[in-house]
Amino acid sequence: KQEVTQIPAALSVPEGENLVLNCSFTDSAIYNLQWFRQDPGKGLTSLLLIQSSQREQTSGRLNASLDKSSGRSTLYIAASQPGDSATYLCAVRQSSNYKLTFGKGTLLTVNP
Amino acid sequence: DVKVTQSSRYLVKRTGEKVFLECVQDMDHENMFWYRQDPGLGLRLIYFSYDVKMKEKGDIPEGYSVSREKKERFSLILESASTNQTSMYLCASSLVAVYTEAFFGQGTRLTVV
Repeated sequence: KQEVTQIPAALSVPEGENLVLNCSFTDSAIYNLQWFRQDPGKGLTSLLLIQSSQREQTSGRLNASLDKSSGRSTLYIAASQPGDSATYLCAVRQSSNYKLTFGKGTLLTVNP
Repeated sequence: DVKVTQSSRYLVKRTGEKVFLECVQDMDHENMFWYRQDPGLGLRLIYFSYDVKMKEKGDIPEGYSVSREKKERFSLILESASTNQTSMYLCASSLVAVYTEAFFGQGTRLTVV
């Protein structure tokens, strides 16, 4: 059974700092990995999708990498801002079916 | 613009009631999902639908059923609501092509009293 782990569970940084969020998964037979953002009490907003054949994707200040063979992904946020404060979730889509399996998220706080 | 809409943001129901949570997507997606999210447990898959009238149990289907009569609508049914079903419920959809993103609704916060 696929298991997805996110480290750290919570992270607090000063504004302007660059930071890295980590995601690991136990079964490398995946189609893709997706990073989401969730604000308190809200739904999930898709940030980046990386296909299993890709190594990284970029969107603005966000860069996500994928090392499928080692079961790891990172989300790099450059020049963090207070508006980046949210919970960040990663999810993998299984090759054996269409299911998405989620990590428990990293709660990010960016202090002004 | 992509849209997944859940019928209610907040619901309060009584123990034993039959509860319907509705989800509609306007993207002609084949796949639809229902998750629940609880503190410390993360998102857990309740049910998944490959296409119209197709469904598959997720990790925690007990106490729930689903209906997918039309492609755009996926309903989650709590047959007899219990207090342990108090949670945030999230609906998602995606194309059947696995190389595509999943999109989520805004969530329904259900409280069973």
